Amino acid sequence: SQQGEEDPQALSIQEGENATMNCSYKTSINNLQWYRQNSGRGLVHLILIRSNEREKHSGRLRVTLDTSKKSSSLLITASRAADTASYFCATGPRSGGYQKVTFGTGTKLQVIP
Amino acid sequence: DGGITQSPKYLFRKEGQNVTLSCEQNLNHDAMYWYRQDPGQGLRLIYYSQIVNDFQKGDIAEGYSVSREKKESFPLTVTSAQKNPTAFYLCASSIDKTGGYGKLFFGSGTQLSVL
Repeated sequence: SQQGEEDPQALSIQEGENATMNCSYKTSINNLQWYRQNSGRGLVHLILIRSNEREKHSGRLRVTLDTSKKSSSLLITASRAADTASYFCATGPRSGGYQKVTFGTGTKLQVIP
Repeated sequence: DGGITQSPKYLFRKEGQNVTLSCEQNLNHDAMYWYRQDPGQGLRLIYYSQIVNDFQKGDIAEGYSVSREKKESFPLTVTSAQKNPTAFYLCASSIDKTGGYGKLFFGSGTQLSVL
């Protein structure tokens, strides 16, 4: 079963604008990750936020986490055409011992030059 | 360069045939995973392995089999029991961390199609 669901499913913006995508999940987590996938390629890790963190930055990326609402958001500022890709959130179980990472359905971002 | 290598990039399966997808990593990671991705969909976990000679079923293991005889290798066999095998298959690895999980490193994927 899919743990996370991204919203929106698709997003089209002009270059230079900000892009925001959201992820909701169902069970308690240890941490949450965001990945990017270019068409026909593997996924690339972007950022990880732990359950005791509320916000994290990495370059043009900002991730927030609200564990009370079981949701996270990814903000890409000053978007570029090269940011065109699908973005996935991924979660793992709160109890450790094994690493069953579950992915959401993804947001397809198109940045128009 | 360290990374994960999947082969072949494209694979075709005939009716009733078993096919094996290769996944090799030189990152010295303990954990390895196989995911299936259908068009426009997210990733679904097929099998995962935390350590050599041990693996667990994921959410959609039926019709698939794996082995983990070496730390570096985690091949996936798509058996004839898998009636709808056409999909993009992704292999990943991570450093096993007790009590949580680290980031996943992905291969470039294998596109499997049925003839």
